[in-house]
Amino acid sequence: AQKITQTQPGMFVQEKEAVTLDCTYDTSDPSYGLFWYKQPSSGEMIFLIYQGSYDQQNATEGRYSLNFQKARKSANLVISASQLGDSAMYFCAMRELSTGNQFYFGTGTSLTVIP
Amino acid sequence: DGGITQSPKYLFRKEGQNVTLSCEQNLNHDAMYWYRQDPGQGLRLIYYSQIVNDFQKGDIAEGYSVSREKKESFPLTVTSAQKNPTAFYLCASSIDQTFYGYTFGSGTRLTVV
Repeated sequence: AQKITQTQPGMFVQEKEAVTLDCTYDTSDPSYGLFWYKQPSSGEMIFLIYQGSYDQQNATEGRYSLNFQKARKSANLVISASQLGDSAMYFCAMRELSTGNQFYFGTGTSLTVIP
Repeated sequence: DGGITQSPKYLFRKEGQNVTLSCEQNLNHDAMYWYRQDPGQGLRLIYYSQIVNDFQKGDIAEGYSVSREKKESFPLTVTSAQKNPTAFYLCASSIDQTFYGYTFGSGTRLTVV
């Protein structure tokens, strides 16, 4: 079974609008961390936001917020007020204590911001 | 500034040749990782190392080899046994704790000519 599932291969959003990128995960470990990374066309992976399994509140970092629904095992990334520079690939990832802290990545979502 | 340095940024290899991709970090991280990324796809784990002089195979280790003689360095050799080596290779490092993310290098794009 896939540990991380991203079901949206590609997304489009109008500039200044908000967009939600979906991510579901699969784990039986009570201790895990969820991460979102941005990969522009240049290739580097940029850390955006983190959510711990024990965190009571949804994580926020500037225009990024993580909609964490633990019972549904979802960790959707919300980007508010989209900018042209947000066009990139976005990867959801998980790290769990029981598997020796190995990272699991989703297949990514390609986001295009339309002017 | 602390970070991870991958070199070279672009690498061309003739078929049948071995090539080595460099990855150096000055973050004092214990764990280091190599990932392969094919166009439009996610990351696949090649090898990882959680401590000096020790490393484990990831999901796609065949045709690759690594060494970890120093904490700061984790070079990846793409051997002639790797039948389809053209890809983007990312090195990462981390504190070996669940609630700590990766720091990535800027990647090496390898092309077989």
